[in-house]
Amino acid sequence: AQTVTQSQPEMSVQEAETVTLSCTYDTSESDYYLFWYKQPPSRQMILVIRQEAYKQQNATENRFSVNFQKAAKSFSLKISDSQLGDAAMYFCAYIDGRYGQNFVFGPGTRLSVLP
Amino acid sequence: NAGVTQTPKFQVLKTGQSMTLQCAQDMNHEYMSWYRQDPGMGLRLIHYSVGAGITDQGEVPNGYNVSRSTTEDFPLRLLSAAPSQTSVYFCASMYSHTTNEKLFFGSGTQLSVL
Repeated sequence: AQTVTQSQPEMSVQEAETVTLSCTYDTSESDYYLFWYKQPPSRQMILVIRQEAYKQQNATENRFSVNFQKAAKSFSLKISDSQLGDAAMYFCAYIDGRYGQNFVFGPGTRLSVLP
Repeated sequence: NAGVTQTPKFQVLKTGQSMTLQCAQDMNHEYMSWYRQDPGMGLRLIHYSVGAGITDQGEVPNGYNVSRSTTEDFPLRLLSAAPSQTSVYFCASMYSHTTNEKLFFGSGTQLSVL
């Protein structure tokens, strides 16, 4: 079974600085998708970024970018120019590409942004 | 466009009581699912459905029941509530499990079982 690990339960960053959240996963599949979801105190789950495993190019969404290392099974999220609104729980998630039916989530990283 | 509507937002039950968490989506999504969120464990899949009349178990199905009679609705039933079922529950949908674009989430239900 696939597993997703986030080794940093909590992290903090100064406003305007850059922070990187780590995620590793275990799978025997070659075709899959990876996601980062953000959960602010409102509890709403918000998609931050999505990566297709067959694409070598790292996904980018404004201040958010990933470092996808397929061989190492690593999928880290970099947040540039951190803002107070970035404070949240961040979850890394995986799903098989071929008719995947089960999203597997990591335990989450709580990010604090210091003014 | 309402998206995924989940009710109630909060619920307190006594041990042994039953209840149904409601979930509806208006995006004609094929795939619907239920997760529970517990501290330090992320979101764990309870049950999912890839279309009307089709359901299957996820990682933690015990104590929960689902049905999918329409494309829009996917209720989650707690048959006999236990304190171990105290959690935050999320319903989520996706256009198709063959494209895996993204999950759309409801706003969650905080459930306490006393």
